[in-house]
Amino acid sequence: GAVVSQHPSRVICKSGTSVKIECRSLDFQATTMFWYRQFPKQSLMLMATSNEGSKATYEQGVEKDKFLINHASLTLSTLTVTSAHPEDSSFYICSARDLQGRSNQPQHFGDGTRLSIL
Amino acid sequence: AQTVTQSQPEMSVQEAETVTLSCTYDTSESDYYLFWYKQPPSRQMILVIRQEAYKQQNATENRFSVNFQKAAKSFSLKISDSQLGDAAMYFCAYRRWGGGADGLTFGKGTHLIIQP
Repeated sequence: GAVVSQHPSRVICKSGTSVKIECRSLDFQATTMFWYRQFPKQSLMLMATSNEGSKATYEQGVEKDKFLINHASLTLSTLTVTSAHPEDSSFYICSARDLQGRSNQPQHFGDGTRLSIL
Repeated sequence: AQTVTQSQPEMSVQEAETVTLSCTYDTSESDYYLFWYKQPPSRQMILVIRQEAYKQQNATENRFSVNFQKAAKSFSLKISDSQLGDAAMYFCAYRRWGGGADGLTFGKGTHLIIQP
């Protein structure tokens, strides 16, 4: 079945560092990918929608300059957390849909990235 | 804006018993999708079951079934013959019809505990 690969699975870095997270669709093309954030014991909150070849759409309250999204190809979206601080520590999950074929295709999720900023 | 509410932070059930997880939602749309996702400790998001709002028949997937009440905007998940592997966080989620470029709106989740 369709698979979404997310890398890295775990990042620990110092405050002020920029961190890049990759999300790849392995066996389908995804013109749209989604980035979610999940705090401990909480739900997933949509951060932004990544659109291939165009600017990402950010949800209200999400800083676009802090969370840079690039969707340069039909199989890859990247999320860069710029100048990360401890409050950016969280679990980040991407998802993608194979939009070819039926419109009711579900979203396929990556395995997530646990980001810890010291 | 759509909202999804899960009023049970935690549920506990004996192995082999049946448990029902509640979910209500609010939307002004008439056509949409509803989902239940399972998130085990590994934090993978696993699709359990989905329902198209235009379908009157409740979706079923083996031991998992839903009770979809469109007028009441209710979408509960029933797990029959509970197994230890069912222990996880369960999230109810919503997406509007035709919203191929829309992300999912999730509820806060229900932590399901299976007692051996």
